Amino acid sequence: ETGVTQTPRHLVMGMTNKKSLKCEQHLGHNAMYWYKQSAKKPLELMFVYNFKEQTENNSVPSRFSPECPNSSHLFLHLHTLQPEDSALYLCASSQDSGSLHFGPGTRLTVT
Amino acid sequence: EDKVVQSPLSLVVHEGDTVTLNCSYEVTNFRSLLWYKQEKKAPTFLFMLTSSGIEKKSGRLSSILDKKELFSILNITATQTGDSAIYLCAVLRGAGSYQLTFGKGTKLSVIP
Repeated sequence: ETGVTQTPRHLVMGMTNKKSLKCEQHLGHNAMYWYKQSAKKPLELMFVYNFKEQTENNSVPSRFSPECPNSSHLFLHLHTLQPEDSALYLCASSQDSGSLHFGPGTRLTVT
Repeated sequence: EDKVVQSPLSLVVHEGDTVTLNCSYEVTNFRSLLWYKQEKKAPTFLFMLTSSGIEKKSGRLSSILDKKELFSILNITATQTGDSAIYLCAVLRGAGSYQLTFGKGTKLSVIP
C-alpha cells in the first residue's frame, strides 16, 4: 500500500443513495486532490485542497461535494449520482504542487 | 484549453525490445511534465521534467523533455513483462497552480 489510503475500494450505489468516499494521506503533504478516471478518457481533476482550502474546482456537478477537515483527510460526498458517474475515483496528495502520490482508488458503479 | 497527446495509444512488444513513448503538449504557462506508470489501480510516479535537454534515468527507464518542440519521450530498454502497464504523461502549469492535465495514456503490453 502507498502512503495514501482510500475507502471503500469498491462501491455500488443506486441513483438515490448518499455515500461518501474517504481518503487519508500519511505523507505530511499539504495538498490533496480528487481525480476521476473513466474508461478511455484522461484522468480528470475534480477538486484540489491546499492547507484545507479549496483552490480548484473544475466545474464539477453539485452532486459531488468535497470536504477537507484537515490536511490529512479528504472526503467526497456523493448524492443522486447518474450512471455516467461510474468510474475510478482517485485521491492524491502532494507537497505544494509537486509530484502526486495516488491512492489505490475507489471503483464506483452507479446503478 | 490545455492539451496533452500521447502516442501510440497502445503498443505490443516482445521481451527485450526497446520502446519509445511520446507525449506532446500545449499548456498555458508550462512548468513541468510528469510521467506515471499505472498497473492495476494507483498511478506511480516515474519522472518530473522541468528543463529541456536533460535526461532523467531510473534503471531501464529514461525520459527527456524538449520545451522548444513541446514534447517528451519515455524510453524503456530491454523490456520485461513487468513493464506492462499504462504510461501516463501529465503537464503542470506555472507557479501557484495545482492544475495537472493528463493525456489518455499509452497501454504497453510486453509479451514473453
